Amino acid sequence: DQQVKQNSPSLSVQEGRISILNCDYTNSMFDYFLWYKKYPAEGPTFLISISSIKDKNEDGRFTVFLNKSAKHLSLHIVPSQPGDSAVYFCAATTSGTYKYIFGTGTRLKVLA
Amino acid sequence: NAGVTQTPKFQVLKTGQSMTLQCAQDMNHEYMSWYRQDPGMGLRLIHYSVGAGITDQGEVPNGYNVSRSTTEDFPLRLLSAAPSQTSVYFCASSPPGRVGQFFGPGTRLTVL
Repeated sequence: DQQVKQNSPSLSVQEGRISILNCDYTNSMFDYFLWYKKYPAEGPTFLISISSIKDKNEDGRFTVFLNKSAKHLSLHIVPSQPGDSAVYFCAATTSGTYKYIFGTGTRLKVLA
Repeated sequence: NAGVTQTPKFQVLKTGQSMTLQCAQDMNHEYMSWYRQDPGMGLRLIHYSVGAGITDQGEVPNGYNVSRSTTEDFPLRLLSAAPSQTSVYFCASSPPGRVGQFFGPGTRLTVL
């Protein structure tokens, strides 16, 4: 039972354009969501997060949007750069549990 | 700060052998966890710990043991390796609260 889903295994975007990565979840108890970026042969690195009390969080070129009624979140990268080419994972957790459930990842390729 | 370190980087085992994957962090983080990454499956939580002496199971704990005797170290033990445990293993740590985790570089394990 996949509680966190990333239905697009891959995405290609032109440099300078917007990249939109999507994530859906099924567990309504999740109240904190994170995005990680992973390069080959390295561990994931934390990118940005959002609490369920917000619907948007922004950090530079990265913005995460949360739609609680649809149980959907998205990561927007504007403008996309070749260095953003990586696998992106979304993750979710419930307060007090420290159990983070990850999605299957989306491979982003930014074309120069 | 070395951050989160994992040893070894690569390991090949025969079915039935045992081994311990080492994980250490020097950031005094209370929370540590182990994940495995398999193609198409994303990152799956194996075991986690919220402090020295406290461990709990994640999504896929079978075949793995953990203990947390110190804040710094969180080893993962495979008592009798099986080919299904062929994977890349990541250790992560974080301080308390709603923050992202710091991941180690991973251990690539092959069980023949």
